[in-house]
Amino acid sequence: QVQLVQSGAEVKKPGASVKVSCKASGYTFTSYDINWVRQATGQGLEWMGWMNVNSGNTGYAQKFQGRVTMTRNTSISTAYMELSSLRSEDTAVYYCARGLHYGVTTYWFDPWGQGTLVTVSS
Amino acid sequence: QSVLTQPPSASGTPGQRVTISCSGSSSNIGSNTVNWYQQLPGTAPKLLIYSNNQRPSGVPDRFSGSKSGTSASLAISGLQSEDEADYYCAAWDDSLNGGVVFGGGTKLTVL
Repeated sequence: QVQLVQSGAEVKKPGASVKVSCKASGYTFTSYDINWVRQATGQGLEWMGWMNVNSGNTGYAQKFQGRVTMTRNTSISTAYMELSSLRSEDTAVYYCARGLHYGVTTYWFDPWGQGTLVTVSS
Repeated sequence: QSVLTQPPSASGTPGQRVTISCSGSSSNIGSNTVNWYQQLPGTAPKLLIYSNNQRPSGVPDRFSGSKSGTSASLAISGLQSEDEADYYCAAWDDSLNGGVVFGGGTKLTVL
């Protein structure tokens, strides 16, 4: 079955960087985008950006421009999201999600990874 | 402040029909299709409805979606206790660099 499995929880100090991995299985990794979405405790979903896994092209939400980097290693079907200059407000669960599209107006996420808790604390 | 607007809460009794609204603008819902995600307590979001009104396999037909202009709705009929969850609408937004925007989420309580 199609599945995304993420790396484990992280605790980081303010100013540090974190790199979260997302391993795909059950489908051709290079045929779909990978997106990253985060959710602070008790809050809603916030889209961070997407990556075309085949080309490596990326698109980031303006809020994260300059702080986020999305990469992939196609040989092991794994995508990565690195967030730098961490601050306490970055404490959240980070999800990867496969992006599917139909035409130019239809784009959705399915499935989602299980989530990775990143805690930023001094 | 989310780009798409949802009511923070909704409720219903078992067997009832409830609807959750999602309001946007011409650059998101007005131009692109809407998706709905269900997030059960303590779990990752799950796709519920895509392309306004399409159900992935495995999603009961009690769940339905619709869109009109710059607004969309999710309807749940025959409400069940296991439907108690957070529901999020989402759409691609064509403004600035583009990207996916979410509603703030609606917490559905089954009374």
